[in-house]
Amino acid sequence: DAGVIQSPRHEVTEMGQEVTLRCKPISGHDYLFWYRQTMMRGLELLIYFNNNVPIDDSGMPEDRFSAKMPNASFSTLKIQPSEPRDSAVYFCASSLTEGETFFGEGSRLTVL
Amino acid sequence: AQSVTQLGSHVSVSEGALVLLRCNYSSSVPPYLFWYVQYPNQGLQLLLKYTTGATLVKGINGFEAEFKKSETSFHLTKPSAHMSDAAEYFCAVSDGVNDMRFGAGTRLTVKP
Repeated sequence: DAGVIQSPRHEVTEMGQEVTLRCKPISGHDYLFWYRQTMMRGLELLIYFNNNVPIDDSGMPEDRFSAKMPNASFSTLKIQPSEPRDSAVYFCASSLTEGETFFGEGSRLTVL
Repeated sequence: AQSVTQLGSHVSVSEGALVLLRCNYSSSVPPYLFWYVQYPNQGLQLLLKYTTGATLVKGINGFEAEFKKSETSFHLTKPSAHMSDAAEYFCAVSDGVNDMRFGAGTRLTVKP
């Protein structure tokens, strides 16, 4: 398997623009996680899904952030409108129930 | 709720010296504990994990960690540091249902 695949790897955008980050989990995994990593706050769990259903979105910073998982092989994290403080590396990860969690290589977002 | 505290944001050792990265956890249920390593511009890679059973856990690259319930600790060690061990290390705790919470990370520098 190719592992967790994220796109884009890098995105530079201007404040106010919509940003969409994409994730393809490992085939067969039933959990999907979105994390955000910054120097100031470290790794934060934003939201996670089980069998495509959002289980805990308490880490989503505000209403500008939304995440969807329309099917078992695809998830998006959307920021609308984006702000400079959203600049971070966003990681997607997937796992089987109580199995090892595998991380993607991350999407580095810069909002100017 | 679970949480993790990593003592020391930066650790520097000489090549061949002992590596000790400290992690203390807080959990209201028996914890699952993990150590991940992150190399620059990459995602996180699992080094080792403790779920149940033997409290001394061996991982990849010669690392090991010991779960000490009485001390609520899960420190990571390696007898002899190698230059290739230079990276950021994250301790994480989970209640077993895949909801991992990470520590702030410890950056390990290895001096020649």
